[in-house]
Amino acid sequence: DIQMTQSPSSLSASVGDRVTITCRASQSIRNYLNWYQQKPGKAPKLLIYAASSLQSGVPSRFSGSGSGTDFTLTISSVQREDFATYYCQQSYNTKTFGQGTKVEIK
Amino acid sequence: QLQLQESGPGLVKPSETLSLTCTVSGGSISSSSYYWGWIRQPPGKGLEWIGSIYYSGYTYYNPSLKSRLTISVDTSKNQISLKLSSVTAADTAVYYCARNVDGGFGDYFDYWGQGTLVTVSS
Repeated sequence: DIQMTQSPSSLSASVGDRVTITCRASQSIRNYLNWYQQKPGKAPKLLIYAASSLQSGVPSRFSGSGSGTDFTLTISSVQREDFATYYCQQSYNTKTFGQGTKVEIK
Repeated sequence: QLQLQESGPGLVKPSETLSLTCTVSGGSISSSSYYWGWIRQPPGKGLEWIGSIYYSGYTYYNPSLKSRLTISVDTSKNQISLKLSSVTAADTAVYYCARNVDGGFGDYFDYWGQGTLVTVSS
C-alpha cells in the first residue's frame, strides 16, 4: 500500500497569508496526486489534479507542485472562505488519501 | 449540472449488510469517460476510498475491503450500488459517491454527492 503523509496536521493563518501544505508518498507516484478541500458537513471539493492542474472554477490563488514522492499545495493569499481541511490523494496504485491538514483562522 | 445523490438505511446492525444506492442525474452513467466511485469518512476522521465501477460493470476495490464488498451498476436507472457485508462499528461513516475521472495522469473525483451517514449499531 502507498501511504500518504501530510504536514502539518493543522495550522493557523491570517487572511492574506501564504499557506503551504506538504504531502509525501511512501514511494514514487509520478504526478498522480490530487488535492481536495473539505468544509464541515460538506463533501470534498477537487482543487488540483495531476499534481499541478487547476480544476475548472477554482481560484488561481491555489496551486500545486511536485512529482515523485513530494508534493505541495500553496494558497498564495488565504481568504476567509479557504479555512477548511485539505486532503491529498494518490491514484498511482489504487487510491489513498492523506490524513488531512486543517487550516484555521489565527 | 451533474448531481449525485446517495440513499439507503441510516442504521445497520452489526454483522448485517450495508446497502446504499447512488443516483446520478444531469448526465449519463454510461459515459465512456468516467468511472463511478464510493468513498467513506468515519466521524471526525479522514477519507477512505472504497471502490470504483465502470458502466460496463468492471470494478476495482480497496484491497482492505474487497472480501466484503460488492459494487454494481444499473445503467437503466443511472445508478450505482454498494453492498458491504459483515459490518462492524468500524464501518460507521459518511458514505459518498463520486464521479471518477481517468485523466491520463492518474484519476480523480470531480463531482461528489452530499454523503449519507450510516451508523452500525444494535
